[in-house]
Amino acid sequence: GAVVSQHPSWVICKSGTSVKIECRSLDFQATTMFWYRQFPKQSLMLMATSNEGSKATYEQGVEKDKFLINHASLTLSTLTVTSAHPEDSSFYICSARSVYSESYEQYFGPGTRLTVT
Amino acid sequence: GEDVEQSLFLSVREGDSSVINCTYTDSSSTYLYWYKQEPGAGLQLLTYIFSNMDMKQDQRLTVLLNKKDKHLSLRIADTQTGDSAIYFCAAYGPSNDYKLSFGAGTTVTVRA
Repeated sequence: GAVVSQHPSWVICKSGTSVKIECRSLDFQATTMFWYRQFPKQSLMLMATSNEGSKATYEQGVEKDKFLINHASLTLSTLTVTSAHPEDSSFYICSARSVYSESYEQYFGPGTRLTVT
Repeated sequence: GEDVEQSLFLSVREGDSSVINCTYTDSSSTYLYWYKQEPGAGLQLLTYIFSNMDMKQDQRLTVLLNKKDKHLSLRIADTQTGDSAIYFCAAYGPSNDYKLSFGAGTTVTVRA
């Protein structure tokens, strides 16, 4: 149980285009989903927290107009990187927390490798 | 906010036990977690411990929590080559607005 999927697993796009990444909780309902960015050999950096049906809360320094997050249902959140540039190239990982969780654990997706050329 | 620190590297012989250490700063952290990340993959939740517990065992994994010293450890018994990965310690509590605070990760290398 507690499986989170991401799609696509990797994507290459040209500078200036937009890319959408999907995050789904497959076997549980997630009130809260999180989006992280991970640079090589580094820890995870939280970008934003989203609750189903409400606007995402962005961490300081993360441009909300550049990284659009939509959490339309209890099983789906999307991250859209708008007008992508090479510096947006990174590994993006989502995670989800179950509505029934008593220990607040988060389950992570497999990640999406974004390369902007 | 919360600071979580881990040693960066650990090398262990196959069959031996591995011990990964972690310290945190917020004594009000309620849950502490261990995640495993293999190359190119997301994070896999291995185990977690509630702050009022001292120890938790799950098959080959043993978590020890010293709340007084704010020290957490993960012991992997009979370490296998498949245990080679990066292990992240994470804390959940009020000092980071109830968002997970991650350590930098410990790279465990299992040698034959």
